[in-house]
Order: sequence, then structure tokens, then C-alpha cells
Amino acid sequence: TQLLEQSPQFLSIQEGENLTVYCNSSSVFSSLQWYRQEPGEGPVLLVTVVTGGEVKKLKRLTFQFGDARKDSSLHITAAQPGDTGLYLCAGALAPYAGGTSYGKLTFGQGTILTVHP
Amino acid sequence: KAGVTQTPRYLIKTRGQQVTLSCSPISGHRSVSWYQQTPGQGLQFLFEYFSETQRNKGNFPGRFSGRQFSNSRSEMNVSTLELGDSALYLCASSQMSVAYNEQFFGPGTRLTVL
Repeated sequence: TQLLEQSPQFLSIQEGENLTVYCNSSSVFSSLQWYRQEPGEGPVLLVTVVTGGEVKKLKRLTFQFGDARKDSSLHITAAQPGDTGLYLCAGALAPYAGGTSYGKLTFGQGTILTVHP
Repeated sequence: KAGVTQTPRYLIKTRGQQVTLSCSPISGHRSVSWYQQTPGQGLQFLFEYFSETQRNKGNFPGRFSGRQFSNSRSEMNVSTLELGDSALYLCASSQMSVAYNEQFFGPGTRLTVL
């Protein structure tokens, strides 16, 4: 059973389209990170959200943390070919949800995004 | 600031051998976590070290071990390699803010077991 369910698994769109990636769980997270990973490289941190209901914007990317801190979304506006990659959500489980803050992130399965010119 | 570095970047071993991977965290970061990434299982947590102590461990067999040195550099070791150990091994460092748990990853070591 995946603790963090990420959807969709694959996304193939045309340049200029908008898209949203979802990350859902029945568990509560102290914080949630979004990463982007290129083939053969390590994940690159895009954003960290820690407060329920928090919304953060990074140029054309908008990240939202659910009010109950159990879910998150990544919205990309006017996607570009340079946005192509693997997007990963990762969370630190809240201590009362059975987690420990000691260095462990729980990852979703990832969304492979392809943006065609 | 230099990022997380990992050496070597690529490694080919045969079954039964052992391997040691190295990770240098971002300067000032004292927490180092290790992850295994495979196509089927995604990223899975191996263990975390802070001040030379292992504070957290994932569900991996005892063949996977690690250590951290006084300068925060870390190594992980896999003994008696199996074909299923082929994966991208990622190291991440953190300043260990409990609230954020913000981790920065290195480029990884691609291990292939033949």
C-alpha cells in the first residue's frame, strides 16, 4: 500500500496547456516537498509546504497543501518543453501519524510529464 | 554553496560482492539520509545519520549498512550483492529542521549488479 498516492502516473500534453498533479494520503504530514527529477540525476527540490491550506507560487508552478495536511497539488500553467521530467511529492509523516522527523521522507510513485513542442 | 556530492556516479558489480558508496553533504548540513530508487518501487528510505549516529532505518535487510563521519560525510555499504540491489542510490542532506525536513539530493550512484 502506497502511503502517498500520486496521480496521474503519466501525463503527455502540448506546449501551452495547463496541468495538475495530485498527491493524496490518509495520513497527516508535518511537511510536504515537491521535487523534479531528470533521467540519471537526483531529485531537485522545488518547494516545501508546512502549513495546512498553504499556497506557494514559483513562476508558472503553483503548489497547494491541503487544509488537513493530507494532500497536495502541483499546478503548472502554460507548460513548456523544459518542464518535462519526473515530478515527485514527498512528505514527512507527523509524529502522531506514526512518523518520525528523523530524516525520512515518504515518496509518491511520481508523475512522468512530457510536454511536446 | 556546493551541493551534495556522491561518488562514484556509476558502479558495476557481480553478485556476492560488496560495495561502498560515498556522500558529502552540503556544508553545514549534519543530517544525511540514503534512499534506493528503482522503477518498480520508486524511492525508498534506507537510513538517516546525524552526528555519527543512525537515528532512523527503513525496511531493508541487514546487508545494507551505513556510517557517518565527524565531518558529516557518510558512506553506505551493501554486502553480498543481489541482482535486485541494482538501483540508483541517492543521498540527501538536511539542516534537520524538524518542522520542514527539507532535504537536498545528490546526483546519485547508479549501481548495476550482474
